[in-house]
Amino acid sequence: EAAVTQSPRNKVAVTGGKVTLSCNQTNNHNNMYWYRQDTGHGLRLIHYSYGAGSTEKGDIPDGYKASRPSQENFSLILELATPSQTSVYFCASGTGVNSDYTFGSGTRLLVI
Amino acid sequence: GQQVQQSPASLVLQEGENAELQCNFSTSLNSMQWFYQRPGGSLVSLFYNPSGTKHSGRLTSTTVIKERRSSLHISSSQTTDSGTYLCALERNAGAKLTFGGGTRLTVRP
Repeated sequence: EAAVTQSPRNKVAVTGGKVTLSCNQTNNHNNMYWYRQDTGHGLRLIHYSYGAGSTEKGDIPDGYKASRPSQENFSLILELATPSQTSVYFCASGTGVNSDYTFGSGTRLLVI
Repeated sequence: GQQVQQSPASLVLQEGENAELQCNFSTSLNSMQWFYQRPGGSLVSLFYNPSGTKHSGRLTSTTVIKERRSSLHISSSQTTDSGTYLCALERNAGAKLTFGGGTRLTVRP
């Protein structure tokens, strides 16, 4: 069954440390997205990708980098984690047609 | 300002009651999408609705572009409907989604 798998599910990081959130999709979708969800804000787009080797800035990219080494994998990188990046992060894949989206189960990140 | 605004922010119902969730947007759109999010869980797509009315079981989505609004109607609510409902605007075909803040629905037995 096609799916989007995120790892880790939960992460505690220290301020100033490097954090990498991973996402793998078996949908063979070209597009992949990273969102964060905070109370009262819905989901906000951080970075997205149209295919292997491509990354684009979303609405709130500051403090984040992204990497898309293959069709299946899309990573979100926090080089210097800060407490304001404590959030729930969702990865999604899509075809770009009729907004056919599949979301992962989320990664809960706590930066202390 | 916020491009997509959802209301109400939260809603409590008794089982069997109906719910009307609203989404208003301030930009042009290609389509509106509605998602359901289980408590602490992932998002599931409910409707992709460029315009007009769509039905799925007890759920109905209506998008009126001229009035810049989309609604989600839940009839005969059940406790299993509890969770967060999110609308998301797609400005252009295949473009990224802009989400509203969500409506947290609680259905009591």
